[in-house]
Amino acid sequence: QKEVEQNSGPLSVPEGAIASLNCTYSDRGSQSFFWYRQYSGKSPELIMSIYSNGDKEDGRFTAQLNKASQYVSLLIRDSQPSDSATYLCAASGGGADGLTFGKGTHLIIQP
Amino acid sequence: DAMVIQNPRYQVTQFGKPVTLSCSQTLNHNVMYWYQQKSSQAPKLLFHYYDKDFNNEADTPDNFQSRRPNTSFCFLDIRSPGLGDAAMYLCATRGRAGETQYFGPGTRLLVL
Repeated sequence: QKEVEQNSGPLSVPEGAIASLNCTYSDRGSQSFFWYRQYSGKSPELIMSIYSNGDKEDGRFTAQLNKASQYVSLLIRDSQPSDSATYLCAASGGGADGLTFGKGTHLIIQP
Repeated sequence: DAMVIQNPRYQVTQFGKPVTLSCSQTLNHNVMYWYQQKSSQAPKLLFHYYDKDFNNEADTPDNFQSRRPNTSFCFLDIRSPGLGDAAMYLCATRGRAGETQYFGPGTRLLVL
């Protein structure tokens, strides 16, 4: 069974610091990886996608993928109070496969 | 501009009374998905359509059905809602394989 594991938190980070979020996945056939941000009562919003080993940067966000270790991470630099949310890690195989989500990490940015 | 639209945003139904949730998209994407997200849990895939081909997840209850009359619309039918079916229902679409899934705003279902 495909699984994505995340630490549920809460993860508390001071404003302006770097927030580091991690997840692992069980299915070695997974090819696409995504980080979604979800505010309470809202639908998931895509933050980053990553498909190959290494780092991918977009503004304050950096996603890292290590397929050998089956590990995905998200770094948020210069954390802002508006970054406080639940961050969902998701993996997908090929074809029309849906996403397998982790339970999410609740991030709190302390002003 | 909204790309994935879900109606209604909130739905209250009675135990056992059939309910239909609606999703439409303006992206002309081949694939449409329905997820169920219960409080403090991960979204869970119920089924998806690749064009008109329907794909049911193995553990999706028979109580849940779906229809896709055309590319733009997809419906989720819950034949006899139970209290355990109260959740946020999320519709998502995707174009080419591996690309991003775009989520609608969700429909929150309450079963009384």
